[in-house]
Amino acid sequence: GQQLNQSPQSMFIQEGEDVSMNCTSSSIFNTWLWYKQDPGEGPVLLIALYKAGELTSNGRLTAQFGITRKDSFLNISASIPSDVGIYFCAGRDRGSTLGRLYFGRGTQLTVWP
Amino acid sequence: GAVVSQHPSRVICKSGTSVKIECRSLDFQATTMFWYRQFPKQSLMLMATSNEGSKATYEQGVEKDKFLINHASLTLSTLTVTSAHPEDSSFYICSAKYRESYEQYFGPGTRLTVT
Repeated sequence: GQQLNQSPQSMFIQEGEDVSMNCTSSSIFNTWLWYKQDPGEGPVLLIALYKAGELTSNGRLTAQFGITRKDSFLNISASIPSDVGIYFCAGRDRGSTLGRLYFGRGTQLTVWP
Repeated sequence: GAVVSQHPSRVICKSGTSVKIECRSLDFQATTMFWYRQFPKQSLMLMATSNEGSKATYEQGVEKDKFLINHASLTLSTLTVTSAHPEDSSFYICSAKYRESYEQYFGPGTRLTVT
């Protein structure tokens, strides 16, 4: 199946710092999505991207759909303690049927006060 | 909008029994629902995809006779773990999408413990 490489695997930062994480795929994707998962909960959709080069913001979060269509990044500015959680990238390739998504392994974010 | 619920949130059952988990889209019609399994500190593993009114499509390695999926309406899908064993203990999460979108909206998950 499709392989998504998400990095870094974990991040330990201080409150107020900016965060950046990225995801790369082995083939061209038509859709990139970023989710956040809190412990014991289901993932929550943060940002959806549909066009190469697209840059979309959601509050302090900004995500971009890479020009090559094989990568995406998520930035979080001025991190706060409630940003703690696992962030997953997800994508849909051209051959995806029924809207199947492929997921990265996640980035565990820890924010120190 | 796009709220998905799951029930129960936690269930403990004895080995050999069956457990049913419900997934409901509360404010939209879900033409497709997905069932995932997640182990601690790991990513989501897709088990199966179901369209309303048709048979589910299972991922390779997932036993369709053990994990029965029914998508009887545009707002409800159920996953039944039959003859559960301790190795079936896991966090099961459903997601749903509507026809025109590729965004999946997730339920809160069900923690299954088989003793």
